[in-house]
Amino acid sequence: AQRVTQPEKLLSVFKGAPVELKCNYSYSGSPELFWYVQYSRQRLQLLLRHISRESIKGFTADLNKGETSFHLKKPFAQEEDSAMYYCAPIVYNFNKFYFGSGTKLNVKP
Amino acid sequence: NAGVTQTPKFRVLKTGQSMTLLCAQDMNHEYMYWYRQDPGMGLRLIHYSVGEGTTAKGEVPDGYNVSRLKKQNFLLGLESAAPSQTSVYFCASSYSRRSNEKLFFGSGTQLSVL
Repeated sequence: AQRVTQPEKLLSVFKGAPVELKCNYSYSGSPELFWYVQYSRQRLQLLLRHISRESIKGFTADLNKGETSFHLKKPFAQEEDSAMYYCAPIVYNFNKFYFGSGTKLNVKP
Repeated sequence: NAGVTQTPKFRVLKTGQSMTLLCAQDMNHEYMYWYRQDPGMGLRLIHYSVGEGTTAKGEVPDGYNVSRLKKQNFLLGLESAAPSQTSVYFCASSYSRRSNEKLFFGSGTQLSVL
């Protein structure tokens, strides 16, 4: 069965500390990987996607096919990074976007 | 260009009542989705549509029905609401079926079933 796991429900760090939000997946195909973010009182929006190999707001995510992981990282967390983060692996032609259970990031001053 | 618009934003129902949530997008997207968001469960796919006149079941379709009579609209219906359907509902759309295509989300509907 296709599964995506975000093991941490809540992650609290201090401003300036490194942060890593974990995402593991088990898919029969080769998925494309996305991270979506939901800031307080805002709608979900795309943060970054693996295929673009981009860094958005200081965040990066590396796809590790051996470990089937797509962890989201930022070297120095900011208070404005506090939000709910969802990992979403998409399999080509699958027509469906499945999301992990989400990790709430709380960056303390 | 409003993007994805959901109505209503809030609703309170009594058990057994029915209601319809409307999702409208003005981006000419083919694909539309309904999700529910619950604490600790993340986003779960209820139903989705790959084009006008077509719908399909997602992960948690029981108790819900959908219709896509027009390309720009995707309706989610609850025929007989239950307290377990208390949730935040999100609609989303995407342009194509390419796996690197991003989703555009609505602002959500907070539904409480008493």
